[in-house]
Amino acid sequence: GESVGLHLPTLSVQEGDNSIINCAYSNSASDYFIWYKQESGKGPQFIIDIRSNMDKRQGQRVTVLLNKTVKHLSLQIAATQPGDSAVYFCAENMGGTSYGKLTFGQGTILTVHP
Amino acid sequence: DAGVIQSPRHEVTEMGQEVTLRCKLISGHNSLFWYRQTMMRGLELLIYFNNNVPIDDSGMPEDRFSAKMPNASFSTLKIQPSEPRDSAVYFCASSRGQQKYFGPGTRLLVL
Repeated sequence: GESVGLHLPTLSVQEGDNSIINCAYSNSASDYFIWYKQESGKGPQFIIDIRSNMDKRQGQRVTVLLNKTVKHLSLQIAATQPGDSAVYFCAENMGGTSYGKLTFGQGTILTVHP
Repeated sequence: DAGVIQSPRHEVTEMGQEVTLRCKLISGHNSLFWYRQTMMRGLELLIYFNNNVPIDDSGMPEDRFSAKMPNASFSTLKIQPSEPRDSAVYFCASSRGQQKYFGPGTRLLVL
């Protein structure tokens, strides 16, 4: 029979538009969050991180927003380019004895049309 | 810096055979993580080491899987005997602190 896999959320945008990718995390004790980009045939690549004592952090063309009240994380990409097309994962890291252990979300497929 | 190095990049084997995946950490990093990625389950942490010591192996599927760090810069993940459901991409990642750097992965197909 047909196997059932993860059905990843998808986001399609035009080149030059801004993109917003959302993520709900599971553990209120998580104290560190990371966004990764994974291109086809490659390993996840670090984009930007944020600690739980912050609610916003900006990088080059990317901004991460953290809302601890509703356990929500978002990644904003400004002026999206075709090279941004990839699967984007959020990951959470619980502190204490789980230091270093990342739990990944299911991922979002971003497609940028020229 | 060459980054995290994994070998082989691709492996095709028959059910019942032993498979050994290898990972070389980034120089100076002291934590090593093995992840498995499948369409069914996404990215799953299998095991991680800190300073060569296994810290959490709760993600290792079963006794057929074992991982070692014979030294500070190298790790192996062994599957014996392999089964078709082990087919996946296996990533290792290294870190010093919280930021993790992933290798290119080993794509494993068990027939």
